Amino acid sequence: NAGVTQTPKFQVLKTGQSMTLQCAQDMNHEYMSWYRQDPGMGLRLIHYSVGAGITDQGEVPNGYNVSRSTTEDFPLRLLSAAPSQTSVYFCASSRAPSSYEQYFGPGTRLTVT
Amino acid sequence: GENVEQHPSTLSVQEGDSAVIKCTYSDSASNYFPWYKQELGKRPQLIIDIRSNVGEKKDQRIAVTLNKTAKHFSLHITETQPEDSAVYFCAPRRVSNFGNEKLTFGTGTRLTIIP
Repeated sequence: NAGVTQTPKFQVLKTGQSMTLQCAQDMNHEYMSWYRQDPGMGLRLIHYSVGAGITDQGEVPNGYNVSRSTTEDFPLRLLSAAPSQTSVYFCASSRAPSSYEQYFGPGTRLTVT
Repeated sequence: GENVEQHPSTLSVQEGDSAVIKCTYSDSASNYFPWYKQELGKRPQLIIDIRSNVGEKKDQRIAVTLNKTAKHFSLHITETQPEDSAVYFCAPRRVSNFGNEKLTFGTGTRLTIIP
């Protein structure tokens, strides 16, 4: 199993540009989520999904959209990038609702200039 | 939602000494208490966890203790080694069959092991 994969690993955007961060898992996990990690800070939940077709907002959802059309994929869309969105983005998955451990992807480092 | 605090935010210990990191939480219904380790430039990974019906769990040099009354749990690392240098996060939560999966992570503790 590849586990949780994310693409791209690095990305530089100009203010106002849009892009999609990709996340996929091959473990048949129902629960998937997106976090951002700013320098010296913890992980903040952006959006999460408890299954295909179901998404909900986390702690910091503004400026981001998600959709979950399949169990495997959970893309994160930045509609109009801002410098405040410069961060490292992690996708995570777990079997829900009875599973406990979160499996993280390798992360995407995004810089918005 | 859950309010989570970790202390200290940074910790330096001599190699071979012990390190203790504390996590306090607000939701008295929390029943799952994990610790994640994130090495520099890497993804967070689960290192140990405990459920609410257990007071302590040990795995070689690491252990977690839980005080549900006081709403805190702690990570203990004994005989520290250079590879223990990392950022450690707690993420307490209430796991139920109704899918309450809104996780809140602590702000992290940066542990540095001094050779």
